[in-house]
Amino acid sequence: AQSVSQHNHHVILSEAASLELGCNYSYGGTVNLFWYVQYPGQHLQLLLKYFSGDPLVKGIKGFEAEFIKSKFSFNLRKPSVQWSDTAEYFCAVRSSSASKIIFGSGTRLSIRP
Amino acid sequence: EAGVAQSPRYKIIEKRQSVAFWCNPISGHATLYWYQQILGQGPKLLIQFQNNGVVDDSQLPKDRFSAERLKGVDSTLKIQPAKLEDSAVYLCASGPGQGQYEQYFGPGTRLTVT
Repeated sequence: AQSVSQHNHHVILSEAASLELGCNYSYGGTVNLFWYVQYPGQHLQLLLKYFSGDPLVKGIKGFEAEFIKSKFSFNLRKPSVQWSDTAEYFCAVRSSSASKIIFGSGTRLSIRP
Repeated sequence: EAGVAQSPRYKIIEKRQSVAFWCNPISGHATLYWYQQILGQGPKLLIQFQNNGVVDDSQLPKDRFSAERLKGVDSTLKIQPAKLEDSAVYLCASGPGQGQYEQYFGPGTRLTVT
């Protein structure tokens, strides 16, 4: 079955630390990839997306993600986190052969001021 | 531009009762999604509409859940009868369609079934 895995359920970092959140998927073929973020008390919102082209994608608020096709991965990175990055982060994948988008279970990020 | 609107924001019902949720997508968005998000899990797609037609409802428990999208704009999701395991946040999202797959989410409705 098609699936999306986010192995880190809860990550705790200090301000200015570097961040990498893992995302792996089980689809073959062409995929569209997304990272969504949900800040406390707010809606889910799109952080960045990959459809084609340069596998290194830049999003809002200094986030970036790298699509590595051979590893079926789309990890999210940020070189220096801020307290305001405290949120839950969801990876999502759409296979070109399907219409629906599958979400991972999410990673809760806590930043110590 | 106004975002996706959902109501109610919270609902508490007893098992075997019925409940309905309403969603108003962003104006002009062709695609509308309903998701169920159980605590500690990611959103799970229940049903996807393109205009007023159903694109995917493979994970909708059709014996108790139903959804419609009136005139390709607003949508309602109904549960009848509710079970304890239906306790979750129900998210509505909309998207431009036409090959644009990013989604814009509403605030969700938190349902508690007792």
